[in-house]
Amino acid sequence: GAVVSQHPSWVICKSGTSVKIECRSLDFQATTMFWYRQFPKQSLMLMATSNEGSKATYEQGVEKDKFLINHASLTLSTLTVTSAHPEDSSFYICSASGGQFMEPQHFGDGTRLSIL
Amino acid sequence: GDSVTQMEGPVTLSEEAFLTINCTYTATGYPSLFWYVQYPGEGLQLLLKATKADDKGSNKGFEATYRKETTSFHLEKGSVQVSDSAVYFCALTDNNDMRFGAGTRLTVKP
Repeated sequence: GAVVSQHPSWVICKSGTSVKIECRSLDFQATTMFWYRQFPKQSLMLMATSNEGSKATYEQGVEKDKFLINHASLTLSTLTVTSAHPEDSSFYICSASGGQFMEPQHFGDGTRLSIL
Repeated sequence: GDSVTQMEGPVTLSEEAFLTINCTYTATGYPSLFWYVQYPGEGLQLLLKATKADDKGSNKGFEATYRKETTSFHLEKGSVQVSDSAVYFCALTDNNDMRFGAGTRLTVKP
């Protein structure tokens, strides 16, 4: 089946640094990628929708200057958390779609980000 | 907009008990419906799906029927196991935009 690779799976860094998370579709072309954030014991929150070659569409309340998303190719999207702070600590999940109508999303395994 | 309402947890059951996790949805179109499972420390996994009314999705003993008349997609399993302990998400997708329920944490005790 379709595989989405998300890297890194864990990252711990100091406050003020920037962290890049990669999401790759390994065996299909992902025309659309989604980035989710999950707080402990809460549901996933959609952060942004990214279409290849276009600017990402951010959900209300998500700071686009804080969470930079790039989707430069059909197999790679990146999420960069800029100047990260402890409140940015969370579980980030990407998913990808090949663009077929009603196609289920294929999820990455998530990235656990801890800002000290 | 489209939304999913899922039974709040946590749910605690004894092994071999019957499980039902309720899920209802609101959608303007004709979405596909999903149940995802998240095991501790792991990413979401697709458990089952249904793409049209009256379809029944099933996998690993779990099943859910797409009920258009009641806009529901309740998850059921006749006999749960300890290994079923996880968080279950109901979700829908319509036009490439997936919406998840809040998630239901299930704990199965021996």
